[in-house]
Amino acid sequence: DAGVIQSPRHEVTEMGQEVTLRCKPISGHNSLFWYRQTMMRGLELLIYFNNNVPIDDSGMPEDRFSAKMPNASFSTLKIQPSEPRDSAVYFCASRYTTPGQGAKSGNTIYFGEGSWLTVV
Amino acid sequence: DAKTTQPTSMDCAEGRAANLPCNHSTISGNEYVYWYRQIHSQGPQYIIHGLKNNETNEMASLIITEDRKSSTLILPHATLRDTAVYYCIVRVGTSGTYKYIFGTGTRLKVLA
Repeated sequence: DAGVIQSPRHEVTEMGQEVTLRCKPISGHNSLFWYRQTMMRGLELLIYFNNNVPIDDSGMPEDRFSAKMPNASFSTLKIQPSEPRDSAVYFCASRYTTPGQGAKSGNTIYFGEGSWLTVV
Repeated sequence: DAKTTQPTSMDCAEGRAANLPCNHSTISGNEYVYWYRQIHSQGPQYIIHGLKNNETNEMASLIITEDRKSSTLILPHATLRDTAVYYCIVRVGTSGTYKYIFGTGTRLKVLA
C-alpha cells in the first residue's frame, strides 16, 4: 500500500520566490492535514480538509500561505512570497473517516515523509 | 494549544521497559488519547490510541487512569531503534472535524 506521498522531498529557494508543496493522500482517505515542524515551534497544524473542503485554517500563519484540495487525491500548500522564516519541514497527513464513526483505526492519521523547505 | 504535557526527555536501558507518562487533565469524556512517535527526519508514526480501557498492540501498551487525566505508554522491551520523540495527543473536535494537536513530546533515548 502506498502511503501519503509528498513532493518535493527537499527544496531550497530564494526569498520572494513562490513555493508549492504537493501531497497525495492514501487512496480512499477523505481527510487531509498539513502540518509544519520547526525546532522552535514543534509540529503545528496549519489546515485540514474533510471531503476536499477546508474545515479549519486557523493555523495558517498569514496570507502568504494558501492550501487547496481540488480533488480527493491531491492537495497543494503554496507560499507566496516565501521568507527565510518559512524554512521548516512540512508534513501532509491523511485519514479515512466514516461520519459518526468512533475512534477506531479508521480515524488514525498517517503522515508522509515531509517536504524539507529552506528559504535563503 | 495542546491539551497534553509530557516530560521533555527520558532514558531507558536497552531490553528494559520504557514507560512514558502523559498528563491530559482537561480531557473531555469523548476525547481519545493517541500516541505517535517521530524518528529523526521521518514523518510521525502511529503507535496506539484509546479512550478509557487499556489497549495493547504489537508495538506498545497504553494504560489510561480511571479518571482519564493521565496515561502511560509502555514499550515492553525497548531497543535502540525505539529512540525517538514520542507524542501524546488528545484528539479534539467532533466527527468530521477532528483535529490532532501535537505537544512538545518526550525525547526517548534507548541506551545500549
